[in-house]
Parts: sequence; C-alpha cells; structure tokens
Amino acid sequence: KQEVTQIPAALSVPEGENLVLNCSFTDSAIYNLQWFRQDPGKGLTSLLLIQSSQREQTSGRLNASLDKSSGRSTLYIAASQPGDSATYLCAVRLDNQGGKLIFGQGTELSVKP
Amino acid sequence: GAVVSQHPSWVICKSGTSVKIECRSLDFQATTMFWYRQFPKQSLMLMATSNEGSKATYEQGVEKDKFLINHASLTLSTLTVTSAHPEDSSFYICSAPDRSGYSNQPQHFGDGTRLSIL
Repeated sequence: KQEVTQIPAALSVPEGENLVLNCSFTDSAIYNLQWFRQDPGKGLTSLLLIQSSQREQTSGRLNASLDKSSGRSTLYIAASQPGDSATYLCAVRLDNQGGKLIFGQGTELSVKP
Repeated sequence: GAVVSQHPSWVICKSGTSVKIECRSLDFQATTMFWYRQFPKQSLMLMATSNEGSKATYEQGVEKDKFLINHASLTLSTLTVTSAHPEDSSFYICSAPDRSGYSNQPQHFGDGTRLSIL
C-alpha cells in the first residue's frame, strides 16, 4: 500500500530565506507526483507536476525534484515571501487509469515578514 | 485554464439532514471525478471515484449508502451525504483530471465544501 509522508509537518522561516520541503513515498511505481498549495479553508492550487520519467520541474521561485528510485521528492522555494505562507501538499498518482491521488499530510509553512 | 467549480462552499445543517454537493468541470469534459474528504489538520483522503454513466467506485471503509454519488453528465458529479451526523462534519473536495486517462495532465480541484452538522 502506497504511503506518502511529508517532513517537516510545520515550518516557520523569516522572509527571504530559501527553504526545502520533503516528500517521501513507499512504492516507487508511480506515474507522476504533484505539489499543491492549500490556503486555510480553501481548495488546492496545483504548483508543479513531475512525470515519473522526469527529474525536476521549475516554475518561478519553485523547483521540484523527483528521485523515483529512492521514493523522494523535494520542493525548493527560493527567496520566500509572506505570501508563500500556506500548507504544501505532495501527492502521487499511481496509475494511468483515471488518476486518483495519494496525499501526504502536508507541511504548514509560515513566512514571517 | 481548466476550472472545477464546487457548490456550495459552506453548509451548516441539523443532524439527520441530507446534503448535496455539486462538482462541475467548467471548460472540459470529465468522465472521471474524484471525491476527497479532509478532516482538520489532516490530509486529503480519497472517498470514491465518480464515473460518468456508471456506478461510483468507493474506497475501503466508505459507506456507499451514506455517500451517494451521481455522475449523470460529462461535466457534473454530485455527492449526497445522507442523514448526516456530526461525525460527517468535514471538508469535502472534488477533483477532475484535465483529460481523463492521461497521466501527463495535472489534477484540478474545486474550492471545497465545508460541511458542519449540528
């Protein structure tokens, strides 16, 4: 059974700092991995999608890496801003049939001005 | 870009009431949609897969008679929480792949429905 774990559960950093969020999964047989942002009481915003054949994806100040063989992904946020404060979720997609996702518990990020 | 709309965003009702939540894909067709539930400070847990024109597939431990799913068209899936009780209070959120069956597209999520049962 696929399990997804995110470390740390919560993180507080001063503005401007670079930071790394970690995601690990137990079964390397995934089709892709997706990072999401969730603001309190809101839905999910997709940040980055990495296919199983890819090593990383970049969007602006965000960079996500994937090491499928070791079951790890990282989300790197450069020059953090208070507006980055949110919960970050990673999710793995197991198959190409429909696309249900298995989510980690999330990392709650607080960026202090 | 593709958008998934979910309605209502917030429901408060008495115990024993049935509540219907709608999930619509606004500019694409979704033969498959997913319903998740999220308790406070926890992650999203898949409840069921909604399939257009056929029965939904429920995850282990989810009561199909309590959580009725209907996917009558290519743009609409509904989740009805029947005879809701306080333990059903949660954040319910739906999602749809941009093109069903293609793994290279991101999932799009609705804004969620916060259900509070008194």
